[in-house]
Amino acid sequence: QITLKESGPTLVKPTQTLTLTCTFSGFSLSTSGVGVGWIRQPPGKALEWLALIYWDDDKRYSPSLKSRLTITKDTSKNQVVLTMTNMDPVDTATYYCAHSDGYGGVPFDYWGQGTLVTVSS
Amino acid sequence: SYELTQPLSVSVALGQTARITCGGNNIGSKNVHWYQQKPGQAPVLVIYRDSNRPSGIPERFSGSNSGNTATLTISRAQAGDEADYYCQVWDSSSVFGGGTKLTVL
Repeated sequence: QITLKESGPTLVKPTQTLTLTCTFSGFSLSTSGVGVGWIRQPPGKALEWLALIYWDDDKRYSPSLKSRLTITKDTSKNQVVLTMTNMDPVDTATYYCAHSDGYGGVPFDYWGQGTLVTVSS
Repeated sequence: SYELTQPLSVSVALGQTARITCGGNNIGSKNVHWYQQKPGQAPVLVIYRDSNRPSGIPERFSGSNSGNTATLTISRAQAGDEADYYCQVWDSSSVFGGGTKLTVL
């Protein structure tokens, strides 16, 4: 079955760069159409999509955060990495990675449990 | 950028039908997905591409999409359906609605 799990620091200081890793199983990021995305959720607030990487290394970013985000994949390790630069307290959130399959507006059908990242000095 | 509008909250009596709306400009031309999120848990996909249910989702959950409004309908609401519900579409990028808290009375 498909599983995903996020890992990374729980606390980062303002201006630092956040690096999160999504380790998955049950699918391959070398399979045509497959993608892994990142979504975050500040405490008590709504979901916000951040980025998505496809099997063919096509990458999509949230327009509002594009300048701060980089998404990469390591197919051999079954991992996707998200980096976010210049962290601010407003970036405090639970960060989720999720699986998608196909192009043209497909859903995120499997989600990780999420990891809470707090930005504070 | 594309925006999705959801009511902050919806209440439904136990056993009755709840309808949660998601508004967007010509949203009927897009694929709408719905997620259920219970406190402390990750979102779960309950409807995809407007009206399709993933395996394991009860038939009580249904969806429709036309014009400027997509709707998630939960029939015979149960206490276990209390959760936040989010709609999602892809425009030039992915967008989530602001979420609706469903209360079952």
